[in-house]
Amino acid sequence: QSALTQPRSVSGSPGQSVTISCTGTSSDVGGYNYVSWYQQHPGKVPKLMIYDVSKRPSGVPVRFSGSKSGNTASLTISGLQAEDEADYYCCSYAGSYVVFGGGTKLTVL
Amino acid sequence: QVQLQESGPGLVKPSETLSLTCTVSGYSISSGYYWNWIRQPPGKGLEWIGSVYHSGSTYYNPSLKSRVTISVDTSKNQFSLKLSSVTAADTAVYYCARPGIAAASTYFDYWGQGTLVTVSS
Repeated sequence: QSALTQPRSVSGSPGQSVTISCTGTSSDVGGYNYVSWYQQHPGKVPKLMIYDVSKRPSGVPVRFSGSKSGNTASLTISGLQAEDEADYYCCSYAGSYVVFGGGTKLTVL
Repeated sequence: QVQLQESGPGLVKPSETLSLTCTVSGYSISSGYYWNWIRQPPGKGLEWIGSVYHSGSTYYNPSLKSRVTISVDTSKNQFSLKLSSVTAADTAVYYCARPGIAAASTYFDYWGQGTLVTVSS
């Protein structure tokens, strides 16, 4: 299996919205509604931001949202804040294994 | 509150076997869930290594399957990772993690702090 495809980097100004895409196949992203997203600040442990495509864990701001269409999932962050600057990873369940995306660096300008 | 803590050597020689243990507190491994290992090479992305159920059944990343063994010790509330024939490419921070639901590793909401393992002579 191959890693899910994410853009290497995205950027946006405070208050704007950004969307990070995550493209897989019908064997992973397209085959299950089990896409999750993780935020990782430098030197820190990944933090779950979205699970089951679009559900937010308790404590995650509502400006983080997730969606999926076919083999591509997306994470949208609205009302960008400085603390959102981090690496973001998508992840998909694929039955007998789990696959992560290569990661996207979000820069808040 | 579920807590996970990785332990093991921080330096392993090439061609040898990397061995790590994850100690779980706040939850009994015997009660269920798949227990996972995930790694992250310096400056790179996350890679799922595999998982073990409390019964001992396992799932492995196909790309690592020939070198990986994950086992569970319910008496110690621990699970372990062994990765054989390591090379410099196996240098990474290794995390243990628990998924959010018991039935499968669909997402990970509990993570250990991670431990850096360097492969070098």
